[in-house]
Amino acid sequence: SAVISQKPSRDICQRGTSLTIQCQVDSQVTMMFWYRQQPGQSLTLIATANQGSEATYESGFVIDKFPISRPNLTFSTLTVSNMSPEDSSIYLCSVGGTAYSGANVLTFGAGSRLTVL
Amino acid sequence: KNEVEQSPQNLTAQEGEFITINCSYSVGISALHWLQQHPGGGIVSLFMLSSGKKKHGRLIATINIQEKHSSLHITASHPRDSAVYICAVGANTGNQFYFGTGTSLTVIP
Repeated sequence: SAVISQKPSRDICQRGTSLTIQCQVDSQVTMMFWYRQQPGQSLTLIATANQGSEATYESGFVIDKFPISRPNLTFSTLTVSNMSPEDSSIYLCSVGGTAYSGANVLTFGAGSRLTVL
Repeated sequence: KNEVEQSPQNLTAQEGEFITINCSYSVGISALHWLQQHPGGGIVSLFMLSSGKKKHGRLIATINIQEKHSSLHITASHPRDSAVYICAVGANTGNQFYFGTGTSLTVIP
């Protein structure tokens, strides 16, 4: 299965600043997903990152707040912009669906635990 | 309505007990995944199932496609099994995944 390197693993940020989270996959994948997991909650899909096109955002999430890049088939970034304490969460990237290899995969990065003061 | 329902939400067991976590879903699926999340936040895929049963060490996962139900069993539970277990289903249309709210398991020595 795919291996995902995600960084940073954790960060403490000041209100009003922005943070970019990176995910590198060791194989080419069609779809990359970004999730938020608020304390005590399950995963909520923020957006689906497609290579060569704009990300598709879920209801309640907008590009100005969570800009996403997907420059190639193995890499993606999520930026959390103009942060507030409500953005304190674990952010996870994932690859899922059908990889170019044909395998049905669901793999997560190690997560980025973000605390906003 | 949640597409994936898990039970129980919280579970405390004595070391050595047999544990069962249940997952029911309402969408057509291509595969069902059991995930494990430790306190640090990282998520590991334990099983991917599309039919029948899989076993890995002390963990067993089963799925009944007709009943849209899956179970995760842990035999001879150990404190290191303490984690949140999440059921996730991949929809058979598109690439959408749906997640249960997780079962928080604590195994006491």
